[in-house]
Amino acid sequence: AQRVTQPEKLLSVFKGAPVELKCNYSYSGSPELFWYVQYSRQRLQLLLRHISRESIKGFTADLNKGETSFHLKKPFAQEEDSAMYYCALCSGAGSYQLTFGKGTKLSVIP
Amino acid sequence: GAVVSQHPSRVICKSGTSVKIECRSLDFQATTMFWYRQFPKQSLMLMATSNEGSKATYEQGVEKDKFLINHASLTLSTLTVTSAHPEDSSFYICSARVGSSGYEQFFGPGTRLTVL
Repeated sequence: AQRVTQPEKLLSVFKGAPVELKCNYSYSGSPELFWYVQYSRQRLQLLLRHISRESIKGFTADLNKGETSFHLKKPFAQEEDSAMYYCALCSGAGSYQLTFGKGTKLSVIP
Repeated sequence: GAVVSQHPSRVICKSGTSVKIECRSLDFQATTMFWYRQFPKQSLMLMATSNEGSKATYEQGVEKDKFLINHASLTLSTLTVTSAHPEDSSFYICSARVGSSGYEQFFGPGTRLTVL
């Protein structure tokens, strides 16, 4: 069975400080991993995916298969980054279902 | 980007009644749609996967007779909560996958169901 673990329910950082949101996964195959973000009163939206290896809004995430991690990082947090962040895994085994972590609420203190 | 809408955004109903929630892909064809349930301050829990023209696949523990899903077209899936009870009160979210390629899902804004 696949599982996504986000150990932190809440993460508070000061504006300008580095941010790292942790995500670990459990899956026997080769997963597709995503970070989704939900700003206040808005719908869930894709932030980035590991296969594209892109940086969105200054965020990056590297898939570490050895540590089964996909941590989300940003060198300098901004107030507008405050939101709920969900790590998600897709097994890619034909169903395209996403398994979500429990989410981490990021609060950037001005 | 691909847009998914849900209707209604909020519904309050009496216990024992049925409620239908619509999920539409506005500018693309969605071969597969997904229905999630989100409890307060918790993550999204996948309820079922809906494929156009076929029966939905329900996750373990989700009553298919309770939560009826219909995916009659490539742009519309509906979730009907039958004989709703207060414990069915929740935030229901749908998502859609674009066509037959890619793993990305586009999410609707959600529907807040309150059963009195």
